[in-house]
Amino acid sequence: KQEVTQIPAALSVPEGENLVLNCSFTDSAIYNLQWFRQDPGKGLTSLLLIQSSQREQTSGRLNASLDKSSGRSTLYIAASQPGDSATYLCAVIPFAGGTSYGKLTFGQGTILTVHP
Amino acid sequence: GAGVSQSPSNKVTEKGKDVELRCDPISGHTALYWYRQSLGQGLEFLIYFQGNSAPDKSGLPSDRFSAERTGGSVSTLTIQRTQQEDSAVYLCASSYGPTSGETQYFGPGTRLLVL
Repeated sequence: KQEVTQIPAALSVPEGENLVLNCSFTDSAIYNLQWFRQDPGKGLTSLLLIQSSQREQTSGRLNASLDKSSGRSTLYIAASQPGDSATYLCAVIPFAGGTSYGKLTFGQGTILTVHP
Repeated sequence: GAGVSQSPSNKVTEKGKDVELRCDPISGHTALYWYRQSLGQGLEFLIYFQGNSAPDKSGLPSDRFSAERTGGSVSTLTIQRTQQEDSAVYLCASSYGPTSGETQYFGPGTRLLVL
């Protein structure tokens, strides 16, 4: 059974710092990996999607890498801002003989606080 | 364009009552997913629809939970004889196609509290 772990569980940094959030998964047979952001009381917003054949994706100040063989992904946030404060969730779509149907397996999330 | 919408946004019910939660996916999205987010369990998959059929119901926690989708659009998640452990945020997501490479777009969720 695929398990996804995120470290750290919580992170507090001053504004302007560069930071890294970590995600690991136990089964390297995945279709893709997604990073989401969740604001309090809100749904999830997709940040980046990395296909299994890709190594990284970038969007603005965000960069996500994927090392499928070691079962790891990192989300790098450059020049953090207070508006980046949220819970960041990592999720994978396991490969299950071609019938995974796209269902996501999530980590527990990292709660990020960026203070001015 | 409009995103995924869910209703109600909040629901408080008494133990033993039935509840219905509604999801309106993004127009044209054929795949629809229900997830549950609870304090102790994190975010868990419940059921997947492709069109009106549900090829994967493996995440439904008990036979008190059921879901349907009509017209390839709106979906309803029904919980019968609610229990306190059903209290959670129920999230709906949709994606464009049946492949596993598509980004899923999430609704704001329905917060269910069972007293």
